[in-house]
Amino acid sequence: GQQLNQSPQSMFIQEGEDVSMNCTSSSIFNTWLWYKQDPGEGPVLLIALYKAGELTSNGRLTAQFGITRKDSFLNISASIPSDVGIYFCAGRNYGGATNKLIFGTGTLLAVQP
Amino acid sequence: EAGVAQSPRYKIIEKRQSVAFWCNPISGHATLYWYQQILGQGPKLLIQFQNNGVVDDSQLPKDRFSAERLKGVDSTLKIQPAKLEDSAVYLCASSLGQFNEQFFGPGTRLTVL
Repeated sequence: GQQLNQSPQSMFIQEGEDVSMNCTSSSIFNTWLWYKQDPGEGPVLLIALYKAGELTSNGRLTAQFGITRKDSFLNISASIPSDVGIYFCAGRNYGGATNKLIFGTGTLLAVQP
Repeated sequence: EAGVAQSPRYKIIEKRQSVAFWCNPISGHATLYWYQQILGQGPKLLIQFQNNGVVDDSQLPKDRFSAERLKGVDSTLKIQPAKLEDSAVYLCASSLGQFNEQFFGPGTRLTVL
C-alpha cells in the first residue's frame, strides 16, 4: 500500500535543540496530520492541518500544510526528553465515503538530556 | 473517559495457527478501524466499520483475515491461518464519525514463529 516518505528517518539531538522533519507524497491530500507514537502505545494526534499553506501551532510544535498539497513539515522547538518517540505524518482525502489515513514511514527522535 | 481497549496485548503463535484480537472502542464512537503496523513502518488500514457495516476493506487479505462488528460496538479481527509476514502490531482505532479524529488503542503485538 501507499506510504508517505518522511525524513529524516531518525534524529539524535541534545535537549534544548530545535527539530525539523518533513513528509512528502506523490499525490495530493486535503488534510495533513501529525502523530506521535510512544513504545507500546498507539499513535496520538498532535496537530491537524486542513488548508494548503496553513501554519498551526500546538505549544512547542508547529506544522505547515505545503502549498502543493503534497508535503507537510513539523517543527519542535526547545526539545525536552519527553519528546522522545516516533513521529508519523498522515495524509487524508475526502474522496469517497472513507476517512482513510495514509501514514508516513516515521521519524525516530531521541533526545539526550 | 476510557480510551480504546484492546486484548490481548501480546500474542505468540506458530505459522498456520489461528489468532483473534478484540477491540472495544470509545463509547459512542460509530466508526472503528483496524490497522496493521509492521516494524519500522507506519500503520496501514486493514478495515473500517461504520456502525456494524464495512466501509472499506480494500487492503484486508481476505483469504486469511476476517473482521466483524456484530452489534456496532466491539470488534474482533481474526487471522487464519497465520503466516510469518503477519508478525506486526495490530492497532484498533475509533472515531465519532467517519471524518472525526481517530483515537488509537495500545495495539496487540503478534509474533508468528
